[in-house]
Amino acid sequence: DAGVIQSPRHEVTEMGQEVTLRCKPISGHNSLFWYRQTMMRGLELLIYFNNNVPIDDSGMPEDRFSAKMPNASFSTLKIQPSEPRDSAVYFCASSRGSGETQYFGPGTRLLVL
Amino acid sequence: DAKTTQPTSMDCAEGRAANLPCNHSTISGNEYVYWYRQIHSQGPQYIIHGLKNNETNEMASLIITEDRKSSTLILPHATLRDTAVYYCIVGGTSYGKLTFGQGTILTVHP
Repeated sequence: DAGVIQSPRHEVTEMGQEVTLRCKPISGHNSLFWYRQTMMRGLELLIYFNNNVPIDDSGMPEDRFSAKMPNASFSTLKIQPSEPRDSAVYFCASSRGSGETQYFGPGTRLLVL
Repeated sequence: DAKTTQPTSMDCAEGRAANLPCNHSTISGNEYVYWYRQIHSQGPQYIIHGLKNNETNEMASLIITEDRKSSTLILPHATLRDTAVYYCIVGGTSYGKLTFGQGTILTVHP
């Protein structure tokens, strides 16, 4: 089992640019989560998908953030336009089903200059 | 989801048991207690979870008090690789939503 796969692992971009983070959940998992981690705010849930459908996006900070899950094996988190305050580590996690144990990916370290 | 209180940091000698406490006095009857840890620069890692009964797996043991208002995570023989931030989380009833607090920084020293 390869675990949750995220790409890129590191991203450096300039303010105003579009950033796309990618996640491949564990095969057979139906639930997918995007989190953001900063020193100031800790680990925060951004959005939750179940069976490819967004269920809870109340944690998405603002309209600059969007997330999609076109199929069971792929999800994206897009920031457009990016701002320096978006600098953080973004984690993707998946679980077999709603309410089951979440398994986290290695994260994407984003730096917006 | 109920709020948890954990000590900011703890130390443990290598080879000894590490006992990490967590207070969750407002836990409701159907909420689980989850423990995750995060080793530096890695994603959080699931350790164990429980509802009422004590639980044990290959990584740790979870002791939940009878009134469920507190719990203790036990790493029976801590190693240097167990140095990490340990998160106690209560919830999971709403689609498994986890709300992470600040956790306990556990440092295992030789």
